[in-house]
Amino acid sequence: DAGVTQSPTHLIKTRGQHVTLRCSPISGHKSVSWYQQVLGQGPQFIFQYYEKEERGRGNFPDRFSARQFPNYSSELNVNALLLGDSALYLCASTHTSTAFGNTIYFGEGSWLTVV
Amino acid sequence: QKEVEQDPGPLSVPEGAIVSLNCTYSNSAFQYFMWYRQYSRKGPELLMYTYSSGNKEDGRFTAQVDKSSKYISLFIRDSQPSDSATYLCAGAGSARQLTFGSGTQLTVLP
Repeated sequence: DAGVTQSPTHLIKTRGQHVTLRCSPISGHKSVSWYQQVLGQGPQFIFQYYEKEERGRGNFPDRFSARQFPNYSSELNVNALLLGDSALYLCASTHTSTAFGNTIYFGEGSWLTVV
Repeated sequence: QKEVEQDPGPLSVPEGAIVSLNCTYSNSAFQYFMWYRQYSRKGPELLMYTYSSGNKEDGRFTAQVDKSSKYISLFIRDSQPSDSATYLCAGAGSARQLTFGSGTQLTVLP
């Protein structure tokens, strides 16, 4: 089975631009979460989606938004990019939002550099 | 104060040594505790998952959670150069949103 897949793997954007990052969860997984990992730090929670509904939001500005599609894939959008948005963006999938014992699996991430 | 505190290291040990990695947390709502291994420029890989307090062993890895002292530990026996990576501890409550420590960088020398 394929793991969590993310695209693009690397991208460079200019300050003020917009970016869309994509994630496909493991087959059968209905919950997707997004995390931001700045160099030298642990991942920080951004959003959680389950069955296409937002179930949680971390402490990030409104420039960050996300959605989940009927096939359970997800997009993370960031508007008005700042230099501080440069980070590894990780997508994680779980089977359901209640059976946490299924564990969380992470993708390889999308490296975003803002110049 | 961060919800999960982790000594960033770096930690360097000889091959075959026992490695002890530790975290403390402050959120009493945490019920789920994980250890992830992250190689350079890769996504985190789940190593150990523990629910509530207690010990869990998987091969060379042992995870311990002491909720009374809010202390999380990971022990690696017979460490190998391939264990060289950053180790991340994480906790989560009923919302299933992971809160990570900052990671400990481990190097196992041949």
